[in-house]
Amino acid sequence: DTGVSQNPRHKITKRGQNVTFRCDPISEHNRLYWYRQTLGQGPEFLTYFQNEAQLEKSRLLSDRFSAERPKGSFSTLEIQRTEQGDSAMYLCASRSGEETQYFGPGTRLLVL
Amino acid sequence: KQEVTQIPAALSVPEGENLVLNCSFTDSAIYNLQWFRQDPGKGLTSLLLIQSSQREQTSGRLNASLDKSSGRSTLYIAASQPGDSATYLCAVKWNSGNTPLVFGKGTRLSVIA
Repeated sequence: DTGVSQNPRHKITKRGQNVTFRCDPISEHNRLYWYRQTLGQGPEFLTYFQNEAQLEKSRLLSDRFSAERPKGSFSTLEIQRTEQGDSAMYLCASRSGEETQYFGPGTRLLVL
Repeated sequence: KQEVTQIPAALSVPEGENLVLNCSFTDSAIYNLQWFRQDPGKGLTSLLLIQSSQREQTSGRLNASLDKSSGRSTLYIAASQPGDSATYLCAVKWNSGNTPLVFGKGTRLSVIA
């Protein structure tokens, strides 16, 4: 499969715990995006990487959130001290040049 | 503020009908507009991308139009099928380069057999 993959697909955690999600983009894509989608809403932009450089962060990305793309390939999104309001689908997308963004299947997070 | 609005929020039609989904956006100076499909609990699949210089794009039974001056786009689905049931999302990119997509809330479509 040469599409965008995300792991895990589902995560249930207790409030206050840390969680980490992984995104593997399409191999030749140097641009990678993270979005968050809550129930009944469209995806909202969180952050963007070009190669290993994090070039833009949304105001939605509080201090508890951190994202990395250490070698310009896969990316991780970590949420520290999770809150119930963090429950959402976390989507990763990648693109190359001016092509459309290709989305992964998402990681659904539930914070109890 | 740059916003994308989709109406209606939900739509139910009998199989075989032609239907139109609407998307409107503030600030007509867009770079491109995309329509996506999302099945329940799944990621997004790109359906059509319209550049700002284009008026429409077609793929199979789908046709997307763009009217920048009025800030509107429509997605036309011909001869709807139960397999078309999904949420359809409209997303706008306002600048070239790294600008992220701004999404509407989507229209949840149900095609009844």
